[in-house]
Amino acid sequence: KQEVTQIPAALSVPEGENLVLNCSFTDSAIYNLQWFRQDPGKGLTSLLLIQSSQREQTSGRLNASLDKSSGRSTLYIAASQPGDSATYLCAVDDYKLSFGAGTTVTVRA
Amino acid sequence: GAVVSQHPSWVICKSGTSVKIECRSLDFQATTMFWYRQFPKQSLMLMATSNEGSKATYEQGVEKDKFLINHASLTLSTLTVTSAHPEDSSFYICSAQKREGNNEQFFGPGTRLTVL
Repeated sequence: KQEVTQIPAALSVPEGENLVLNCSFTDSAIYNLQWFRQDPGKGLTSLLLIQSSQREQTSGRLNASLDKSSGRSTLYIAASQPGDSATYLCAVDDYKLSFGAGTTVTVRA
Repeated sequence: GAVVSQHPSWVICKSGTSVKIECRSLDFQATTMFWYRQFPKQSLMLMATSNEGSKATYEQGVEKDKFLINHASLTLSTLTVTSAHPEDSSFYICSAQKREGNNEQFFGPGTRLTVL
């Protein structure tokens, strides 16, 4: 059974600082890995999807890397803003999506 | 493209009643749809996978007679919570996969169910 772990569980940084969110998974036989953002009481917003054959994806200030062999992915958010405050979820697709518990980010103005 | 809607966005019902939640793919055909539930401050747990025109596949521990899933068309799946009880109160989220795609799931905005 796939286990997905996200560290840290919570993070508080001053505005402008770069964010580093970590995700690890136990079974490397995956199709892809996705990073999502979830605001309180809301659904999921897809941020980045990395196919198993890729090593990274970038969108604006966001960059996600994937190291399948070691079962790790990292989401980098550059120059954080208060609007980046949310919970970030990592999900691994190995015929079904398995989610981590998330990292709750607070960016202080 | 790839917009998924859910209706209603929130519902409050009395214990013992049944509640139906709809999940629609608005601008694409979805051969497969998924239903998740999320408890407060916890992550999403897959409940079941539904394919158009066939019976849903339920995850271990999910009662199929309690959570009825119907995937009647390529754009609509419904989840009915039968004889709801307070412990069924949760955030229910659906997702859909395109008929031709890369396995990516597109998520709806979720439905907050509160059972009194």
